[in-house]
Amino acid sequence: AQTVTQSQPEMSVQEAETVTLSCTYDTSESNYYLFWYKQPPSRQMILVIRQEAYKQQNATENRFSVNFQKAAKSFSLKISDSQLGDTAMYFCAFMKGMNRDDKIIFGKGTRLHILP
Amino acid sequence: GAGVSQSPSNKVTEKGKDVELRCDPISGHTALYWYRQSLGQGLEFLIYFQGNSAPDKSGLPSDRFSAERTGGSVSTLTIQRTQQEDSAVYLCASSLPQSGANVLTFGAGSRLTVL
Repeated sequence: AQTVTQSQPEMSVQEAETVTLSCTYDTSESNYYLFWYKQPPSRQMILVIRQEAYKQQNATENRFSVNFQKAAKSFSLKISDSQLGDTAMYFCAFMKGMNRDDKIIFGKGTRLHILP
Repeated sequence: GAGVSQSPSNKVTEKGKDVELRCDPISGHTALYWYRQSLGQGLEFLIYFQGNSAPDKSGLPSDRFSAERTGGSVSTLTIQRTQQEDSAVYLCASSLPQSGANVLTFGAGSRLTVL
């Protein structure tokens, strides 16, 4: 069974700093998707960024980028120039294969506080 | 609808009562997921519906939990004989796997409190 591990339960950084959230996963699959979702205090989950395992290039979305290390099964999220609105729970997620019938598994999350 | 709608947003019940939580996914989304989020915990997978395929029920914690999806659209998660440990936020999400993106759109969740 696939597992997703987020080793940092909680982090705090000053506004405008760069922060990296770690995620590791365990799978025997070669093709899969990885995701980072954000859950602000409003509780509404939002997709931050997505990576296909067959792509070597790291995904980037504005201030958000990932460091995907397939051999190490690592998928960290970097937030540059952090803003107060980045305060949220961040969840790493995994979906095996490219099959339509694959479920998505989440880690336990990292609570990120951006301090003014 | 424009988004995933869940009801009720909050539910307080007494131990031993049955509860039903409803999820109305985005129109046309064939995949529907239920997750449970307990205080300070991550998202625990409960059940997954995809089109006409048999649902993946591997995450349901006990036989007190069941879910159905009627007509490939609305889904109901039923918890029978509720226990205090069932208190959590129940999140529903839908997606359109055929699009290749497999991006989940979540509802705002139903917060269940069992007294």
